[in-house]
Amino acid sequence: DQQVKQNSPSLSVQEGRISILNCDYTNSMFDYFLWYKKYPAEGPTFLISISSIKDKNEDGRFTVFLNKSAKHLSLHIVPSQPGDSAVYFCAASVGFGNEKLTFGTGTRLTIIP
Amino acid sequence: DAGVTQSPTHLIKTRGQHVTLRCSPISGHKSVSWYQQVLGQGPQFIFQYYEKEERGRGNFPDRFSARQFPNYSSELNVNALLLGDSALYLCASSPTPTDTEAFFGQGTRLTVV
Repeated sequence: DQQVKQNSPSLSVQEGRISILNCDYTNSMFDYFLWYKKYPAEGPTFLISISSIKDKNEDGRFTVFLNKSAKHLSLHIVPSQPGDSAVYFCAASVGFGNEKLTFGTGTRLTIIP
Repeated sequence: DAGVTQSPTHLIKTRGQHVTLRCSPISGHKSVSWYQQVLGQGPQFIFQYYEKEERGRGNFPDRFSARQFPNYSSELNVNALLLGDSALYLCASSPTPTDTEAFFGQGTRLTVV
């Protein structure tokens, strides 16, 4: 039972354009959502998070949007840069913080110079 | 400052054997979590320890066990290895379980033959 789903295994975006990565979830008990980025041979690194009491959170070039009624969140990266090429994981937890994270399957983002 | 360190980085074991994976958290971090990442999937939660107490356990068989030591380092033990246990095992640490960000190590790649 995949409670967090990333339906796009891969995405290619031109450098300078906006990258939009999507994530859907089924468990209505999730109330904290995170995005992680992973380069090959490295562990995931935290990017940005959002609490269920918000619908938007920004941090520099990264913005996460949450639509609770649709059980959907998205990560926007603008402008996209070559160093953004990586696998992006959406994760969720019940309660605030990093307890017992449930991860999606990941989306491989490739930025084309 | 040293990040989360895991040892060994790579390991090959035979079916039926036992394995111990080790994790040293970032200095000052008292919470340690273990995740299993099978090829093509997102990380799956195995255990979380905080202040040497088990705080959570994922949907894994009893062959998987873990512990946290007084210095907050942790071991993950897997008995009676199966081919399906082949995966990247990730350790993450944070000051507490309710901190926003968990910091991941580079992982231990376990291959069971």
